[in-house]
Amino acid sequence: KAGVTQTPRYLIKTRGQQVTLSCSPISGHRSVSWYQQTPGQGLQFLFEYFSETQRNKGNFPGRFSGRQFSNSRSEMNVSTLELGDSALYLCASSLAAGSNQPQHFGDGTRLSIL
Amino acid sequence: TQLLEQSPQFLSIQEGENLTVYCNSSSVFSSLQWYRQEPGEGPVLLVTVVTGGEVKKLKRLTFQFGDARKDSSLHITAAQPGDTGLYLCAGAPTGNQFYFGTGTSLTVIP
Repeated sequence: KAGVTQTPRYLIKTRGQQVTLSCSPISGHRSVSWYQQTPGQGLQFLFEYFSETQRNKGNFPGRFSGRQFSNSRSEMNVSTLELGDSALYLCASSLAAGSNQPQHFGDGTRLSIL
Repeated sequence: TQLLEQSPQFLSIQEGENLTVYCNSSSVFSSLQWYRQEPGEGPVLLVTVVTGGEVKKLKRLTFQFGDARKDSSLHITAAQPGDTGLYLCAGAPTGNQFYFGTGTSLTVIP
C-alpha cells in the first residue's frame, strides 16, 4: 500500500515568489492535514481538509492557503514568500477527520527561501 | 508558550540505559499520540492513548496517559541505537486543531 506522497521533495525560491506543494494521501484516506516544521517552532498545524472542505485552520497568515480535490489529493500554496517561510512542510492523511485518528505522514517538502 | 511541553529537549545516553520522556500540558486531551521522526522523514505514529491512567506497551517502549488526561510519558527500556530520533507527543484538546509537543531529540550511543 503506497504511503503519503509529497512533491517536490526540495524546492528553492526567492522572496516574493509563490509556491505550490502537492500531497497525495494513502488510498482511501479522506482527511489531509498540513504542518510546518522549523527548528525554532517545531511542528505547527496549518490546516486540515476533509471531503474537499477546510475543517480547521492554524494560526498562520492568509498567504498560506490550501485546497483538496475530489480524489482527496491536496495542495497548499504560499504567496509572497518570506525568508521565515523556509521550513519542512509535512502532509499527513487519515481515514477520517478527528483527533483520535492516526495520522500518516509523508516525508515532506523542504522549502528554502533565498 | 507551547500547549504541549516535552522534557527533556535533548537526551544522549549509552546503549542499554533506560530513559523517560515527559509530555505535559495544562489542557485536557481526549487522547494523545506519540510519534518518532528520523532525519529526512516524516513522523511515524507509535501509539495512541485514550483513557486516563492507561498504560500501553510496545516491546521496550511503555506509554502512560495521566489520570487527568493532561500529561503522558514514554519510557524506553534498554535503549538501542535504532531508538535514536525525535520523539513527539501530539493531541487535539478541543477535538479540532492538532498540536504537537516541543519534541525530545534522543541519541543512543553504541
